[in-house]
Amino acid sequence: GQNIDQPTEMTATEGAIVQINCTYQTSGFNGLFWYQQHAGEAPTFLSYNVLDGLEEKGRFSSFLSRSKGYSYLLLKELQMKDSASYLCAVMDSNYQLIWGAGTKLIIKP
Amino acid sequence: GAVVSQHPSWVICKSGTSVKIECRSLDFQATTMFWYRQFPKQSLMLMATSNEGSKATYEQGVEKDKFLINHASLTLSTLTVTSAHPEDSSFYICSARDPATGYNEQFFGPGTRLTVL
Repeated sequence: GQNIDQPTEMTATEGAIVQINCTYQTSGFNGLFWYQQHAGEAPTFLSYNVLDGLEEKGRFSSFLSRSKGYSYLLLKELQMKDSASYLCAVMDSNYQLIWGAGTKLIIKP
Repeated sequence: GAVVSQHPSWVICKSGTSVKIECRSLDFQATTMFWYRQFPKQSLMLMATSNEGSKATYEQGVEKDKFLINHASLTLSTLTVTSAHPEDSSFYICSARDPATGYNEQFFGPGTRLTVL
């Protein structure tokens, strides 16, 4: 079956760095997405990786290793507004998104 | 980026009534739209994939006669929750794929919070 695993919850301190991991097993692979979702709101796109390596976008970076079925989202210089759930999703061979359960990130002052 | 709107943002209805939710792609043509449901503290659950001009493809366990989907144009898909019951109360989110992005990114609407009394 298809499976996306990510930690349920993480806590970090304002100004620090946090890494959210995601491992996946899917039928086919057409890219991995990271989305941010604040409570009561729809997800917003953060990053897309289809080739191995690191994609950097401002304070956020996303890494992919296809051979290991592994990705991480790295958030630097954490701000209170970064408190949200972070969703990992993989696009399978049918171009359908398979979603992880999300990681709730709590930022403390 | 591409913009997707949803209407209404929230709705409260009585048990047994039907509710229609609209999803529009505002600045692009979406041949494919997706309908998700999200319960509190849970991840998105894909309900169905809506293709313009054809019948929707429903995920296992989703009743197609209860959740009616119509995708009559390239910019509009509707989800009708028929004979709603309290257990249908949830956050319903649509998304649309913009082929122009080149990597099949899905753009999400703001969501519709449905409460069935």
